Amino acid sequence: QKEVEQNSGPLSVPEGAIASLNCTYSDRVSQSFFWYRQYSGKSPELIMSIYSNGDKEDGRFTAQLNKASQYVSLLIRDSQPSDSATYLCAVNRGGSYIPTFGRGTSLIVHP
Amino acid sequence: DTEVTQTPKHLVMGMTNKKSLKCEQHMGHRAMYWYKQKAKKPPELMFVYSYEKLSINESVPSRFSPECPNSSLLNLHLHALQPEDSALYLCASSTSVGLGEETQYFGPGTRLLVL
Repeated sequence: QKEVEQNSGPLSVPEGAIASLNCTYSDRVSQSFFWYRQYSGKSPELIMSIYSNGDKEDGRFTAQLNKASQYVSLLIRDSQPSDSATYLCAVNRGGSYIPTFGRGTSLIVHP
Repeated sequence: DTEVTQTPKHLVMGMTNKKSLKCEQHMGHRAMYWYKQKAKKPPELMFVYSYEKLSINESVPSRFSPECPNSSLLNLHLHALQPEDSALYLCASSTSVGLGEETQYFGPGTRLLVL
């Protein structure tokens, strides 16, 4: 059983739409959650971190965490072609400094 | 400032060569990592230094050897690599250790090609 699961996609959305990316995790003591964006051939770039249940907004990005259901999601509003990338979900269990990565979801935003 | 630097950006080496990858951070982070990433795969952890103590992914072959000269520097020594070792090698560092809000920041990576 994979510890952090993401749909590999690709997820294709039109420009201006809301892109919704989902991630589920199996370790109930997970404590911190991260979304990274990775363009092809580049390194992962941190775009959101979330530690408590609920929503956290930063510009066009909103992270949503539900620890009871063990999922974390990322919403991208007003999607732009420049948002086309792979989005990696990473999860840390409490007391750990070694995150577990999901396989990533490929997002394509078409004009 | 959340910058992690890596050199070189690109490296081509033969199977008999010895080379080193370098990583540096000046954020006061006390954990530093080496990852290997193949195309369309997530980063795969190779080594972690936390407060200069090394943790190893047991599946990493001995032709890779890490070195942590001080808390800001991390090297990865390469020797007798195989073509399947060609990949993007990522260095990362993280904030607090074991306090629940550790955040990893990645360097730009070294693209390695083994011929």
